[in-house]
Amino acid sequence: DAGITQSPRHKVTETGTPVTLRCHQTENHRYMYWYRQDPGHGLRLIHYSYGVKDTDKGEVSDGYSVSRSKTEDFLLTLESATSSQTSVYFCAISSLQDIGSYEQYFGPGTRLTVT
Amino acid sequence: GENVEQHPSTLSVQEGDSAVIKCTYSDSASNYFPWYKQELGKRPQLIIDIRSNVGEKKDQRIAVTLNKTAKHFSLHITETQPEDSAVYFCAARSGGSNYKLTFGKGTLLTVNP
Repeated sequence: DAGITQSPRHKVTETGTPVTLRCHQTENHRYMYWYRQDPGHGLRLIHYSYGVKDTDKGEVSDGYSVSRSKTEDFLLTLESATSSQTSVYFCAISSLQDIGSYEQYFGPGTRLTVT
Repeated sequence: GENVEQHPSTLSVQEGDSAVIKCTYSDSASNYFPWYKQELGKRPQLIIDIRSNVGEKKDQRIAVTLNKTAKHFSLHITETQPEDSAVYFCAARSGGSNYKLTFGKGTLLTVNP
């Protein structure tokens, strides 16, 4: 499982509250990603990181921010949660197998419900 | 940016039959194409991938083919078994993209005993 954990695994929160999801990896991978998964939409990239303090936006970044202050942790924050952010959130890492590969492996996911 | 289309969205086969899932991509610079299997309530799991310098790759009952000219790639599962039932996602990675993947919307494969 590429040493990836996510916390919490399940969370119910109210509209307007801030929420932070944590992704933790133990194998010193450089690249980390946050996706959301919704029925009919597949996996959509929210933000990604290519090193400590180096982050960039994905295709659905509005309403989300991220931080990576150390290699092993990548945090996703919903500043003011909305019902449209109810989703399953997956963290992923890229594992360099050989030059040009960079396979991605996923964490177990966090199910977030915003009421 | 990259756009990946995946078909069909649902596929039902009898045990022992073959299943084929097709994807097209838009960015001719894309160079890496993985396939993921996701069982209900689980994380997506990488099952096979192919790079742009290869036309076909096999791993036991699964194979992936790539046609760079037509910008499409396919997943082939032979001798399907009930445990192959899952959602399958294709993805494509554009060159120089910080290794970001763009995913198709998924295919729900049901293998009937």
